[in-house]
Amino acid sequence: QQQVKQSPQSLIVQKGGISIINCAYENTAFDYFPWYQQFPGKGPALLIAIRPDVSEKKEGRFTISFNKSAKQFSLHIMDSQPGDSATYFCAATDSWGKLQFGAGTQVVVTP
Amino acid sequence: EAQVTQNPRYLITVTGKKLTVTCSQNMNHEYMSWYRQDPGLGLRQIYYSMNVEVTDKGDVPEGYKVSRKEKRNFPLILESPSPNQTSLYFCASSLDRGHHEQYFGPGTRLTVT
Repeated sequence: QQQVKQSPQSLIVQKGGISIINCAYENTAFDYFPWYQQFPGKGPALLIAIRPDVSEKKEGRFTISFNKSAKQFSLHIMDSQPGDSATYFCAATDSWGKLQFGAGTQVVVTP
Repeated sequence: EAQVTQNPRYLITVTGKKLTVTCSQNMNHEYMSWYRQDPGLGLRQIYYSMNVEVTDKGDVPEGYKVSRKEKRNFPLILESPSPNQTSLYFCASSLDRGHHEQYFGPGTRLTVT
């Protein structure tokens, strides 16, 4: 059973648009929420991460929004570029470091 | 260059023939882990190791074995592979079991016929 639920499965966005990916979790022991980006033929790579004591974290065009009471978090990709076309995974971990991944979202940015 | 390496990258084998996928990291990381990636399921943890000689089961350990005799190496062993183990496998490492970035290898695509 997936402990982190991710949606949508895929999305297509025009260059310059905003991509939004949502994740939800149930386990309140989770206390670290990373997002990984994966290009075809490559392993996932950490994109950005947040702890639940903050509601938002921004790094360049990538922003995580976190709602602790709703147990939800989301990734916003602003000004999406064709180079952002990849699969994005949300994840959650507890103090033991065991990562639970969402099912992934394939993002396609059209020129 | 800091990296996680896996070998082989591609493997086609038959049911029941034992195989080993090697994983090595050069970052002196304490924590290492194996995942399998299947469409629609994301990445699921198979086994992890918090230190040399310390390993534990992840979410999907059935049919797999691991060992951690040296800090840098964490091989994944399939004693009797079955077709349901056809998947994309990733090894990862991080500084320790805490909230540090996990570095992933390039993946091993395994097909069991």
